[in-house]
Amino acid sequence: DVKVTQSSRYLVKRTGEKVFLECVQDMDHENMFWYRQDPGLGLRLIYFSYDVKMKEKGDIPEGYSVSREKKERFSLILESASTNQTSMYLCASSPHQRSTDTQYFGPGTRLTVL
Amino acid sequence: AQTVTQSQPEMSVQEAETVTLSCTYDTSESDYYLFWYKQPPSRQMILVIRQEAYKQQNATENRFSVNFQKAAKSFSLKISDSQLGDAAMYFCAYSGYQGGSEKLVFGKGTKLTVNP
Repeated sequence: DVKVTQSSRYLVKRTGEKVFLECVQDMDHENMFWYRQDPGLGLRLIYFSYDVKMKEKGDIPEGYSVSREKKERFSLILESASTNQTSMYLCASSPHQRSTDTQYFGPGTRLTVL
Repeated sequence: AQTVTQSQPEMSVQEAETVTLSCTYDTSESDYYLFWYKQPPSRQMILVIRQEAYKQQNATENRFSVNFQKAAKSFSLKISDSQLGDAAMYFCAYSGYQGGSEKLVFGKGTKLTVNP
């Protein structure tokens, strides 16, 4: 089975802190994604990566950056956390570059910024 | 830009009965894929079913089936013989080529409650 893991289930940070969310997949997938999920808004794509060291902006990249130094690991970085970044963050991966592949999701990280 | 609309924020069904969740989408493309994902409470999101737009036959996975109406841009999910474990958020999603790369666009979700 494909396994996508995220470094924390719950995280509490203070405004202005630098925050790292990590995601690891164990199936040698090409694509990795970061979404945020908010009630009534569904899932919105922040960034995605289709190869090591490659990244593309999603629909809401402002205030975020990403890093993909190894194929299995995709990190989301909040350079200076703000209260409006309080949300559930979901990582996903898929086998190939086409997003028509099934995406496999991690358990999510619920981030609270105080 | 492509959009996905789920008009039912919440639905409920009695155990063993059938429920249909609605989804419409907007696109000018002819080649695309549609998905239903399920997110149980405090658990990981998983794929329920997918449909290729070029296929006229509706996809089916056990108790889950879709009604894909390409001309109407409608993609509803039917759950037969509902079980307590079907209680979850359900997200409809569209995948196509937009803006130079391929992305998945999600609807806002429908919360399904299954009553015993």
